[in-house]
Formats: sequence, structure tokens, C-alpha cells
Amino acid sequence: QSALTQPASVSGSPGQSITISCTGTSSDLGTYDYVSWYQQHPGKAPILMIFDVSNRPSGVSNRFSGSKSGNTASLTISGLQAEDEADFYCSSYTSSGTYVFGTGTKVTVL
Amino acid sequence: EVQLVESGGGLVQPGGSLRLSCVASGFTFSSYWVTWVRQAPGKGLEWVANIKSDGNEKHHVDSVEGRFTISRDNAKNSLYLQMNSLRAEDTAVYYCARGGAGYSFGRRYFDYWGQGIVVTVSS
Repeated sequence: QSALTQPASVSGSPGQSITISCTGTSSDLGTYDYVSWYQQHPGKAPILMIFDVSNRPSGVSNRFSGSKSGNTASLTISGLQAEDEADFYCSSYTSSGTYVFGTGTKVTVL
Repeated sequence: EVQLVESGGGLVQPGGSLRLSCVASGFTFSSYWVTWVRQAPGKGLEWVANIKSDGNEKHHVDSVEGRFTISRDNAKNSLYLQMNSLRAEDTAVYYCARGGAGYSFGRRYFDYWGQGIVVTVSS
């Protein structure tokens, strides 16, 4: 199972909106609405930001939103803040009962 | 408060074995799928294995199939990863996480993570 494809880096100025894409195949996110997104600060464990494509866990800011179209899922961060600077990973359930993560995207706040 | 605490990591020679443990608290461990995820130095996350709440369904990523085995002991609120025939490329921080259901019903995401444990495979 190959990793989902994400851009290596995305940047934006404070207050702007950015979108991170996550491209998979028909064996994973193209078929299943089980896409989740994780934020990871350096040296820390990942934190769940979005689950089941577009749902936010309690405690996660509504500046984070998710969507999916075909084989590509997206995470949008609106009103970018300095604390959003981190690595972001998407993940999808697969037809084998396993999971695959994305290649990861480093978000930089300019 | 949900907590997952890993232990058992360390330095091991290539070809050696190691058993990781993860003790859960703050939730009914026996009701949840649980998962191991790893992250090699400077690299991204890699899903390793998952196991159903009753232990009757489990999956492993191809790269560890036949070498690693996930298991659990619900009486001890514990998750394990037995790692045999270790290779340099298994060097990583290993995280346990709640969730990650397979074919059977359950949450198909990872909502709580441990702090991670370092495994280094080197001579």
C-alpha cells in the first residue's frame, strides 16, 4: 500500500486560508469516507483534527475543515495563526482493513 | 482522562527482538480497537498494525508481516507489539493509538495517542 500523496509544504500569512490536498486511490479514500487528518508539532504525538472526511472532534477549532472529492481529500485552515505551524498528515482506511497515511505537509506561517 | 503509555523501547541489534507495551487508562479498553503507528527519524507516519477489541481480528502492514505480532490483554488494559528479526529500517518512534477499526465495526480514525517510545536497531 503506497502512501497517500500530499504537498511537501504549504505556507500562508496570518489570517489567510490554506488548503492541503491528499490524493489516494480507489482502494482507499476514493472508495471510503474514512479520511482523517492529524496535526503534529515537533517532538510531539499527532493530534486528531478531522475524522470521517469532515467531522471535527470536540476541542478542535472550527478554523479547520475537511472535504473530499473523488480520490482527493482536502484540509482547509482558515484564519491562519502562528500556532498552526506544524506537520499535517492525512490518513485513510483501505480495502484490506488496514490504514495508510499521507506523505505529510509542513505548514509554515509567514 | 484517556491515557496511553508506551514502554519497552531501546537499542537492539539487527536480527534481535523487542516487545513493546502500551498501558491504557481512562476508558474501557476492552471496547476499542487499538493500533500501532511508527515514525522513522525525520520521516512521516506509518501505520503498523491494529487489533480488534476482543483480539479476534488483527492486521499488519506488509513490511512487518511475519516479523511483528500485535496482541492485547484486556484484563491488564494492555496492548503489545512483539517485534522479531528487527532491521535497521524498523528504527522509529512507535506510538500506540486508540481506534483504527478493521473490517469489524469501530472508529476508523485515531483519536488518542501515546507519547511514543523510541526503538533503535543498530549494531
